[in-house]
Amino acid sequence: QITLKESGPTLVKPTQTLTLTCTFSGFSLSTSGVGVGWIRQPPGKALEWLALIYWDDDKRYSPSLKSRLTITKDTSKNQVVLTMTNMDPVDTATYYCAHRLTVASNWFDPWGQGTLVTVSS
Amino acid sequence: QSALTQPASVSGSPGQSITISCTGTSSDVGGYNYVSWYQQHPGKAPKLMIYDVSNRPSGVSNRFSGSKSGNTASLTISGLQAEDEADYYCSSYTSSSTLEVFGGGTKLTVL
Repeated sequence: QITLKESGPTLVKPTQTLTLTCTFSGFSLSTSGVGVGWIRQPPGKALEWLALIYWDDDKRYSPSLKSRLTITKDTSKNQVVLTMTNMDPVDTATYYCAHRLTVASNWFDPWGQGTLVTVSS
Repeated sequence: QSALTQPASVSGSPGQSITISCTGTSSDVGGYNYVSWYQQHPGKAPKLMIYDVSNRPSGVSNRFSGSKSGNTASLTISGLQAEDEADYYCSSYTSSSTLEVFGGGTKLTVL
């Protein structure tokens, strides 16, 4: 059974850097084709894809946020870390990490429970 | 503004069928068979319901089906049940640098 869980601060101040960790089980990021992505959802709004990292360390970012995002993996710890710099109140959202089966799988399944991050001074 | 267009809301009575549309362009929905659909209940994480336009993951009811015509994908739910009341999001691969786009979401109300 594959599970993922997001962790990190619930409150950050404007201009600060957000660091979120996705800890997963039931699969390995050293397995060929596997990936982990990050998606966020502002309160009452739609989903927005942020970033994706694959087993071979190939990284993809949303162009609109690319300058602010960094995604890394620690295969030994079964973790993926997302950092987002220069946080703004508009970045207030629930942040999800999710499993991608293979490079050819254009879907996420399953998702973590999500973590709500509020940006406020 | 989301890259894929969905109706804000749809409704139906128990036992009826409903269809949710998801309109994109030839760079995403119309160009690839890589449309997926997610169900999201309030306060919960999205759940994959359909992938690659019309495939159902193991464990998803066969009351859920997907299709595509041109630049528009559709999710059909037959035999509506109260538990189907949720938000539904479509997603597609895109050849643009965005790589992956979601729709704005559709709230399904079971009357």
